[in-house]
Amino acid sequence: AQSVAQPEDQVNVAEGNPLTVKCTYSVSGNPYLFWYVQYPNRGLQFLLKYITGDNLVKGSYGFEAEFNKSQTSFHLKKPSALVSDSALYFCAVRDGYKLSFGAGTTVTVRA
Amino acid sequence: EAQVTQNPRYLITVTGKKLTVTCSQNMNHEYMSWYRQDPGLGLRQIYYSMNVEVTDKGDVPEGYKVSRKEKRNFPLILESPSPNQTSLYFCASRAQGPYGYTFGSGTRLTVV
Repeated sequence: AQSVAQPEDQVNVAEGNPLTVKCTYSVSGNPYLFWYVQYPNRGLQFLLKYITGDNLVKGSYGFEAEFNKSQTSFHLKKPSALVSDSALYFCAVRDGYKLSFGAGTTVTVRA
Repeated sequence: EAQVTQNPRYLITVTGKKLTVTCSQNMNHEYMSWYRQDPGLGLRQIYYSMNVEVTDKGDVPEGYKVSRKEKRNFPLILESPSPNQTSLYFCASRAQGPYGYTFGSGTRLTVV
């Protein structure tokens, strides 16, 4: 069975500092990995995905993620965080028909 | 605009009163799915559909029904809602292939 773990419930950073949100996964085959962001009272917005190829994936709003097969990780990163990046972030893994989510990480960026 | 539309956005109902949450997508996607979001648990899949008349259970299907009579629509039915079904519900769709889901704006359901 597939699963996703986001080990941090909350991440707090100062504006302008690097932001990292951690994700590890477990899946039987080759993973399709995704990051979504949820702003208050909004649906989930797609940020980026890894299917195959280059381990560093670039996505929306300046975010990127690094796929590490040996560590089964897919950490989300942003070199310089903005206050507007404050939101709830979800990592997800797709195996066949099923997309499984982590519990989410709340990111707070302070001015 | 390509989108997944859910209705209603907010719903308060009483225990045992049947309700339906509608979901429609305009992207001609084959796959559709329903999720519920609860604090600390992330999103859990309720049901999914691979195409018209083809549906299957997700992780938490108890108390829910779905149907897929048309490709664009995938309603979620609660025959006898209970308070533990109070949650935020999302419908999502995707195309066949290495794609993620596009999500609707959500339906916040409260069962009293």
